[in-house]
Amino acid sequence: NFMLTQPHSVSESPGKTVTISCTGNSGSIDSNYVQWYQQRPGGAPTAVIYEDDERPSGVPDRFSGSIDSSSNSASLTISGLKTEDEADYYCQSYDTNKIIFGGGTKLIVL
Amino acid sequence: EVQLVESGGGLVQRGGSLRLSCAASGFALSYYSMNWVRRAPGKGLEWLSYITSGSTTIWYADSVKGRFSISRDNAKNSLSLQMSSLRDEDTAVYYCARGSGYGGYHMDVWGPGTTVTVSS
Repeated sequence: NFMLTQPHSVSESPGKTVTISCTGNSGSIDSNYVQWYQQRPGGAPTAVIYEDDERPSGVPDRFSGSIDSSSNSASLTISGLKTEDEADYYCQSYDTNKIIFGGGTKLIVL
Repeated sequence: EVQLVESGGGLVQRGGSLRLSCAASGFALSYYSMNWVRRAPGKGLEWLSYITSGSTTIWYADSVKGRFSISRDNAKNSLSLQMSSLRDEDTAVYYCARGSGYGGYHMDVWGPGTTVTVSS
């Protein structure tokens, strides 16, 4: 069963840069596109990265996505952290007949 | 404005049934694949089901296969999720999400969610 593993939480200070990883347990993560979603408390998820490294309209360029085939991982990097970036972040991809979310990472900006 | 709005959530007894609906506005549902996703209290996002624009391909997560059924009415711009044999662990906020991009696997528009509570 294909799974995506994320760190449970990460914390960083405003103005700094943070990277959230998403590691596939099998296969090649670069075989299928990876998306990233932000979910603030009480709100619905919104996409911040799609198809590995594309930013939806309206998402600031402080958000970027990448793939590292050597570690079978995808990464979401947020630079110039703001307090409003504090949220849960989920990676998502797909496999045969299913769509998979990572377990989510709580980003704490303090 | 492109929008999705879920409805039909509520309190239901364990073993009961419930039908969720998702109304689309601002775009033609017929051009897009659609998904249902939920978030249980204290847990992360869980994908439940996917349906292509013409209903030719339907997928389910193992956790709901055989209990939940996804359907769509493109003429009415709506999506549904029929849930039966509900369990305590089905308690969650349920979201419908529009699929976009390659394969429709990028969920680019989400509804605000509807809450389902399963109680004994």
